[in-house]
Formats: sequence, C-alpha cells, structure tokens
Amino acid sequence: AQTVTQSQPEMSVQEAETVTLSCTYDTSESNYYLFWYKQPPSRQMILVIRQEAYKQQNATENRFSVNFQKAAKSFSLKISDSQLGDTAMYFCAYFNTNAGKSTFGDGTTLTVKP
Amino acid sequence: NAGVTQTPKFQVLKTGQSMTLQCAQDMNHEYMSWYRQDPGMGLRLIHYSVGAGITDQGEVPNGYNVSRSTTEDFPLRLLSAAPSQTSVYFCASSYSRIQETQYFGPGTRLLVL
Repeated sequence: AQTVTQSQPEMSVQEAETVTLSCTYDTSESNYYLFWYKQPPSRQMILVIRQEAYKQQNATENRFSVNFQKAAKSFSLKISDSQLGDTAMYFCAYFNTNAGKSTFGDGTTLTVKP
Repeated sequence: NAGVTQTPKFQVLKTGQSMTLQCAQDMNHEYMSWYRQDPGMGLRLIHYSVGAGITDQGEVPNGYNVSRSTTEDFPLRLLSAAPSQTSVYFCASSYSRIQETQYFGPGTRLLVL
C-alpha cells in the first residue's frame, strides 16, 4: 500500500520569507502523480500544484514550486514571498493512476506571521 | 458552473440512524470519490466511482454504501451511524480516472451522538 508522510505537523514563517514543507512517499509504481493541496480554515480543499512522476522538471505555479526527487521519493513544497493568506493546512497527496486511488498525508499546519 | 456541491453542510445524528450525504457535479466528470477527514489527519478514501454504474471500495469503506446511477450524482449512505463516523466528509470529482486533478466539494460536517 502506498503511504505519504509529512514529518512537520506545524511550521511558521515570517511574511515575505520562504518556507519549505516536506513530503515523502512510498510506492512501487512508476506511473503516478503528486499533489499539494491547501486547506484554509474554510475547509475547502484547493489544489496548489501537481507533478507528473514521468516529468523530471519540477512544477512551478507563481510563488509555489516543488522539489521532486523521484529516486528518494521526496516531494517538497517551497513557498516564496509568504503571504498572510498562505496560512492554512497543507496536504501532500499521491495518486496511483493504475488503481485510480489517492493517498493523503496527515498535513502540515503553516502559519504566516506578520 | 456550480462545480461540486454537497448537502447538507452540517448534520447531527443519533447512533443507529441512517442518512444519505448528497454529492453532485455539473462538469460531466466520470470519476467521483468520497473521503473522510478526521481531526488532525489527512483525507482517507471511502469509496470511488469511475463512471455511472461502477463503484469500488477505498481505504475505509466499512459502514458506508454508495451507488452511481447517473454521471452527476454520487450519494454516500450511512446505514446505521456510529460515533466513529463523526468526521468531515468530502466529495471530489475529476474528468476521468486518468485525469487525476480532483475538484473538491465544500464538505459535510457530521456529528454522531
């Protein structure tokens, strides 16, 4: 079974600084996708960024970027120029394309301080 | 485009009662799924469907039933609610099983007394 581990339950960062959230996963599959979702206090799940396992290039979406290390099974999220609105819980997720199932980590609560 | 909608937003049940959580999407997505989120934890897959008439179990299916008679709707049934089913429930959809970016509904908060 696939597992996703987020080893940092809580993190904080000063506004305008950079923070990195870590995620590791375990799988024997070669074809899969990885995601970071943001969940603000409203509880709405919002897609932040996604990475196809077959792509070597790291995904980037504005201030959000990932460091995808396939051999190490590591998928960290870097948030640059942190903003107060980035305060939320962040979930790393793995999607098994063969089985059509997702596995989520337990989340990292990020607080951006003014 | 309403996206993924869920009703109700909040529900209180007594142990042993039954209820159906509704989920609908208007994006013509084939793939739909139900998750539960317990406090301080990530989402765990309950059931999923790759198309009308096809459903399968996820990680935590016990105590829940689903059906998919139309592309748009994917209700989740609790036949006999238990306090362990107190959670927040999310429905999600994507264009297909292969098109993996899922769109989530706003969630239903369920409290079982």
